[in-house]
Amino acid sequence: QSALTQPRSVSGSPGQSVTIACTGTNSDVGTYNFVSWYQHHPGKAPKLIISEVTKRPSGVPDRFSGSKSGNTASLSISGLQPEDEADYYCSSYSDTYTFGLFGGGTKLTVL
Amino acid sequence: EVRLEESGGALVQAGGSLRLACEVSGFPVRSNYLSWVRQTPGKGLEWVSVLYSGGGTYYADSVKDRFIISRDNSKNTIYLQMNNVRAEDSAIYYCARVDGYMPDYWGQGTLVTVSS
Repeated sequence: QSALTQPRSVSGSPGQSVTIACTGTNSDVGTYNFVSWYQHHPGKAPKLIISEVTKRPSGVPDRFSGSKSGNTASLSISGLQPEDEADYYCSSYSDTYTFGLFGGGTKLTVL
Repeated sequence: EVRLEESGGALVQAGGSLRLACEVSGFPVRSNYLSWVRQTPGKGLEWVSVLYSGGGTYYADSVKDRFIISRDNSKNTIYLQMNNVRAEDSAIYYCARVDGYMPDYWGQGTLVTVSS
């Protein structure tokens, strides 16, 4: 089962903005608007922060936003805060597999 | 408040068995899709098994015929019986509710280490 492609790491300073890309194919990201993003602080439960490409669950700050262009979905975080330092995973519905695909994860470092 | 809490992870020898449990609060397991997803440094996040609300099941090919997912509605808990474990089953195992095709709520995971 092929994973969605994410950069291994990104970094930014407090107050800055960063964008994390998630690249798939026409069988998943490119065709379907079922892309989710999770924030994971190691040792804690992963937290859903974006669903259906752009939707923010209740309680997620509007500093987090999602978008999609072609086969690539993106998570943007503006006004970086120290507590944003975490691992971020994307996922997408796939018409090839029974359940969705996951990205390999991106480690965000807030310098 | 939704909460999923896994337990049962341990160090186990290859060929042995282990049962993981996931106690759920905030929604009934009987009317939701519940899953086990594992995380390894090399392979990232991987679906292991899903229990449908109607009782049907899904297993990844890598665990088919070795793992069994089940639930106890009275305890609002799901289980993963892991038999004939292999070194490659070593991972953090997360319990997660599936909304549509992807998880929405997750537990914080339990560590399974298989020694050879």
